[in-house]
Amino acid sequence: DSGVTQTPKHLITATGQRVTLRCSPRSGDLSVYWYQQSLDQGLQFLIQYYNGEERAKGNILERFSAQQFPDLHSELNLSSLELGDSALYFCASSRLADGTEAFFGQGTRLTVV
Amino acid sequence: AQSVSQHNHHVILSEAASLELGCNYSYGGTVNLFWYVQYPGQHLQLLLKYFSGDPLVKGIKGFEAEFIKSKFSFNLRKPSVQWSDTAEYFCAVLPGYSSASKIIFGSGTRLSIRP
Repeated sequence: DSGVTQTPKHLITATGQRVTLRCSPRSGDLSVYWYQQSLDQGLQFLIQYYNGEERAKGNILERFSAQQFPDLHSELNLSSLELGDSALYFCASSRLADGTEAFFGQGTRLTVV
Repeated sequence: AQSVSQHNHHVILSEAASLELGCNYSYGGTVNLFWYVQYPGQHLQLLLKYFSGDPLVKGIKGFEAEFIKSKFSFNLRKPSVQWSDTAEYFCAVLPGYSSASKIIFGSGTRLSIRP
């Protein structure tokens, strides 16, 4: 158990819908990272938050957004879902912003039908 | 652009065979290197990492990796694999002195071990 909790584990939704994925970092970790793992794109960094503020942005679509709350949990919002958004979404956390050791959650498997 | 190449998409071995998974990266500066493992249905776990010092790094579960700077490589090895090593293995590179948000992952190598 990495200490990073992601909910839900599985999500099936229809195209055009909006979903929210949730991540609780390890106790004491201030940084949260979101990654998307798909068959064709591999593991891609989406976005990082550090202590409530956006720190870095990767290949995140405009239809996607995230935030980190005062209690440090984070949510990734995916809207206007398309079939191609089906993937495993991982959250990782680390203590520092330069998180050279990030711990990953179990992921949320999103299936868009 | 920086990239990480894992040469083998799928490797199939018998138990007790020796393993070597290739990883090459393209970045000329200081790098931090990682191998992650993802067991079926589970999250990514750190196997080992290299930041500096001895280029031969030992990780968990009997894995080791060697950083060869001249070859831009960080191959993962295990002398004798077990059925429980069946998993997907990801090499990752973090260009020096940058945030973990810049970690670049390879496409992964699926390892299947025949009992």
